[in-house]
Amino acid sequence: ETGVTQTPRHLVMGMTNKKSLKCEQHLGHNAMYWYKQSAKKPLELMFVYNFKEQTENNSVPSRFSPECPNSSHLFLHLHTLQPEDSALYLCASSLHSSGSAYEQYFGPGTRLTVT
Amino acid sequence: QKEVEQNSGPLSVPEGAIASLNCTYSDRVSQSFFWYRQYSGKSPELIMSIYSNGDKEDGRFTAQLNKASQYVSLLIRDSQPSDSATYLCAVGDYGGATNKLIFGTGTLLAVQP
Repeated sequence: ETGVTQTPRHLVMGMTNKKSLKCEQHLGHNAMYWYKQSAKKPLELMFVYNFKEQTENNSVPSRFSPECPNSSHLFLHLHTLQPEDSALYLCASSLHSSGSAYEQYFGPGTRLTVT
Repeated sequence: QKEVEQNSGPLSVPEGAIASLNCTYSDRVSQSFFWYRQYSGKSPELIMSIYSNGDKEDGRFTAQLNKASQYVSLLIRDSQPSDSATYLCAVGDYGGATNKLIFGTGTLLAVQP
């Protein structure tokens, strides 16, 4: 595997379900990000982890719970979601999240549909 | 609220022409700028980064930065139908504990064969 991978690629879940999204980066980076992309809106940053520590929570509802066990893996745990949470969820990584090393590389995304 | 503005398009150009994509940003102290290409149904792909005023060329792509005018652009020479995609402008945000990117909504480019 190379780059940034995400699983699953598509997910349909009911509002009472619990599911998890997984992201893995093979770039030797130290920072990982979760974004939400909805139609006609800019990419919305959700969470940032730098060296496994969460450094940004962009006022995300608690029904989204991130987990970063190491610098290569990032999870997004989902529970009691709402239909408006349906979107493309993108994971990205960069060498750091401080200083000038901003170049972020994205995974293929998980298309989430909440029914 | 820091903002990145792009014309949503679509920008339609004939094959072989130069496509010019523009972006303005609100934070005067921004130091890093990026262009991503996103095909329909796919994730964003980094195609250019620029940090200094002036031009930066990479193959058919040229990024142009004017910090005084808070303006960054992307030129695509000899446009091909395969260049048809949404182009996202992103600007580095130094504020707060975490450095992050602020994205525009993107410009849809359509290259006509």
